[in-house]
Amino acid sequence: GENVEQHPSTLSVQEGDSAVIKCTYSDSASNYFPWYKQELGKRPQLIIDIRSNVGEKKDQRIAVTLNKTAKHFSLHITETQPEDSAVYFCAASSDDMRFGAGTRLTVKP
Amino acid sequence: NAGVMQNPRHLVRRRGQEARLRCSPMKGHSHVYWYRQLPEEGLKFMVYLQKENIIDESGMPKERFSAEFPKEGPSILRIQQVVRGDSAAYFCASSPRRGSYNEQFFGPGTRLTVL
Repeated sequence: GENVEQHPSTLSVQEGDSAVIKCTYSDSASNYFPWYKQELGKRPQLIIDIRSNVGEKKDQRIAVTLNKTAKHFSLHITETQPEDSAVYFCAASSDDMRFGAGTRLTVKP
Repeated sequence: NAGVMQNPRHLVRRRGQEARLRCSPMKGHSHVYWYRQLPEEGLKFMVYLQKENIIDESGMPKERFSAEFPKEGPSILRIQQVVRGDSAAYFCASSPRRGSYNEQFFGPGTRLTVL
């Protein structure tokens, strides 16, 4: 089955800096890669996703990149703000979706 | 369109009691997934169900845990004879179909505390 690894487990940045979270996956059949944000005490919510036929996708301050050959994908947040502080989960999906262990991002004002 | 509903939101049980967690998927969604999240940890897959069928229960403990998704009504995750280690947040998610490109929509979670 699919195995997703996510790094780092914690990340602290200064407001305005960029943050990068990286994930690797094992199943070459995976072709959908969503990212979820979970604020404290809340449910995970989709913030951006990318399909395997695309190498990069951007939505305002958030971008995702995908390298299918190397089986890794990354989340990039630019101009970070304190409200970006949360736990971020990557996931990889073919028939079934599996999640990474999460990255706790702290943005210091 | 109401989102994924879970109830109760908080559940307190004493060791040895049973816990029943309910999940109503989004309208039009027939696929339900259950996840467990321990404090400060990630989302651990437990079970994936379609109506009246368990598709994948590879993440569910063999004993004390069971899940169902009947033809009518919500999906239910049942934990028998709860122990302190079962204390966690249990999230369900739903999607309209299986397979690629299908976002999973999460419910608000049930926070189970075992005394």
